[in-house]
Amino acid sequence: AQKVTQAQTEISVVEKEDVTLDCVYETRDTTYYLFWYKQPPSGELVFLIRRNSFDEQNEISGRYSWNFQKSTSSFNFTITASQVVDSAVYFCALSEEGGSQGNLIFGKGTKLSVKP
Amino acid sequence: DTEVTQTPKHLVMGMTNKKSLKCEQHMGHRAMYWYKQKAKKPPELMFVYSYEKLSINESVPSRFSPECPNSSLLNLHLHALQPEDSALYLCASSQEFGVEKLFFGSGTQLSVL
Repeated sequence: AQKVTQAQTEISVVEKEDVTLDCVYETRDTTYYLFWYKQPPSGELVFLIRRNSFDEQNEISGRYSWNFQKSTSSFNFTITASQVVDSAVYFCALSEEGGSQGNLIFGKGTKLSVKP
Repeated sequence: DTEVTQTPKHLVMGMTNKKSLKCEQHMGHRAMYWYKQKAKKPPELMFVYSYEKLSINESVPSRFSPECPNSSLLNLHLHALQPEDSALYLCASSQEFGVEKLFFGSGTQLSVL
């Protein structure tokens, strides 16, 4: 069965701190995709990244970086030097190419509060 | 234009009312989605349209009726809703139906009295 676990319900940090959001997934497929979405208070989910199961290279985009480790079924997200604008709910999601045909399985989300 | 536009932003309706939610995108995307999101929960998929045809209906009650008049528009018709249907309804689109990244609208916050 597919499952995405975000064990951290809420995290609060002070501006400029680094913060890592954890994501652990379960799937029986060998081909799958992992996503991170950001949902600010305005409501819309904003796509951050998509990785496929064959690409374990870590990725960095500005202050954001992602660590994909198949050995531990984890896809963690780190924000370096956090800013108040990073305050949002962050969702990790899984999609299996064969089975659910684009149906994203979301984790429960981690609410990040960055205080000035 | 990389936007998905949803109207209205807020809607209050009684259980006997009929209302519609609207969603529009002009990115040439061929897949459009309706998600329902309760407070402090992740979004849940309701419907998927691919090339204007209904591809997925996640066992949604018939009081929710989707419609895709053309490739840019997606409607969700509401009738005889229950208070537990109160939620944020999100529309999304993607280039194709599959494992593409989704572009989301900011949602319609629906309250059913």
